[in-house]
Amino acid sequence: GAVVSQHPSWVICKSGTSVKIECRSLDFQATTMFWYRQFPKQSLMLMATSNEGSKATYEQGVEKDKFLINHASLTLSTLTVTSAHPEDSSFYICSSPRWGGVQETQYFGPGTRLLVL
Amino acid sequence: SQQGEEDPQALSIQEGENATMNCSYKTSINNLQWYRQNSGRGLVHLILIRSNEREKHSGRLRVTLDTSKKSSSLLITASRAADTASYFCAGLNQGAQKLVFGQGTRLTINP
Repeated sequence: GAVVSQHPSWVICKSGTSVKIECRSLDFQATTMFWYRQFPKQSLMLMATSNEGSKATYEQGVEKDKFLINHASLTLSTLTVTSAHPEDSSFYICSSPRWGGVQETQYFGPGTRLLVL
Repeated sequence: SQQGEEDPQALSIQEGENATMNCSYKTSINNLQWYRQNSGRGLVHLILIRSNEREKHSGRLRVTLDTSKKSSSLLITASRAADTASYFCAGLNQGAQKLVFGQGTRLTINP
């Protein structure tokens, strides 16, 4: 069964609004979670690393003020797309290594499809 | 870009045939992993090969790794229609502890 869940699975919003995406580890504690973005027919691009109890680490070119990440508990990380625009429309996927912070194997959530009108 | 490259970008074969996908990466890695993604879905981990391994098998999957050439291959034998999906390689960067994904191969198995 799934070990990482995401909510919502899809969302449509108007330009300028903010959207929150949740990523939960279901039966393990996730001190680290990763957020990826995937455009159609493209690969996954790592956006940021979410660390429980500390600030997220963002990849080069990813605006931290636009993509707010909060990892307040050991089972939940949230990604908020602030003031979303049509170019933010994408498939957002989270993942977590099951044991600590070493990426031996990643467990991926089912993804959230965001469409900004 | 630090992303690896995969070839072919798209592969279409008949059911029962073998499918081979290749992946090249740029940085030093601790291990290389292969994932499968059905259309519009999340990723499913298939197999992991460590940097000190050269070949690994799992069911109908066979993975090779050549660290001198920074390349890997995934072989799916006796393909089935249900194998239709996108396949991604991902290298775990030494030090950075981050997965870097290849561009992916879209595999279509025709019944």
